[in-house]
Amino acid sequence: SAVISQKPSRDICQRGTSLTIQCQVDSQVTMMFWYRQQPGQSLTLIATANQGSEATYESGFVIDKFPISRPNLTFSTLTVSNMSPEDSSIYLCSVATGVSNQPQHFGDGTRLSIL
Amino acid sequence: KQEVTQIPAALSVPEGENLVLNCSFTDSAIYNLQWFRQDPGKGLTSLLLIQSSQREQTSGRLNASLDKSSGRSTLYIAASQPGDSATYLCVCPSGAGSYQLTFGKGTKLSVIP
Repeated sequence: SAVISQKPSRDICQRGTSLTIQCQVDSQVTMMFWYRQQPGQSLTLIATANQGSEATYESGFVIDKFPISRPNLTFSTLTVSNMSPEDSSIYLCSVATGVSNQPQHFGDGTRLSIL
Repeated sequence: KQEVTQIPAALSVPEGENLVLNCSFTDSAIYNLQWFRQDPGKGLTSLLLIQSSQREQTSGRLNASLDKSSGRSTLYIAASQPGDSATYLCVCPSGAGSYQLTFGKGTKLSVIP
């Protein structure tokens, strides 16, 4: 199964700043996704990271706020821009092989707190 | 739009009990269903994956069932242990052929020694 490294594991940031989260996979994967988990809530999909093209965002999420890069099949970044306290969440990346009998795997997440 | 509901939201049991966690989903055109475990402040650990053609999967003390026609899945935990205390998430594809996932809100399990 894929091993996912996510960095940083946690951070405390000032209002108005931006933070880039990295997701590195130990093997090439077809699909990479970014999720957000707000305090006390379950996970919500932010976007699908597409290799070599613009990410596909879910309703309620926009590229200016959450720019995503995916330069190759093993790496992606999510930037949380112009942060406010409402952005305090856990951000997780996940990967899928595109084979239905294989589970999706998740990174350990980035716990982000905005002061 | 896929919706996933988990019942109960929280459950507290004494050690050694067998227990069942319930999950229902609205769009039965799924190719699989996964159960994950999440420990406080941690990421997600995949427990079981059931393909749409299967009715159940077992791993150790865990058994997951799937009834696509009724839109239901259950996770059975035998002989519960304090180390089983965590939040259990039922997760389905967001639509036919989709690899985007829709999560239930989870069942928070506490196993009391």
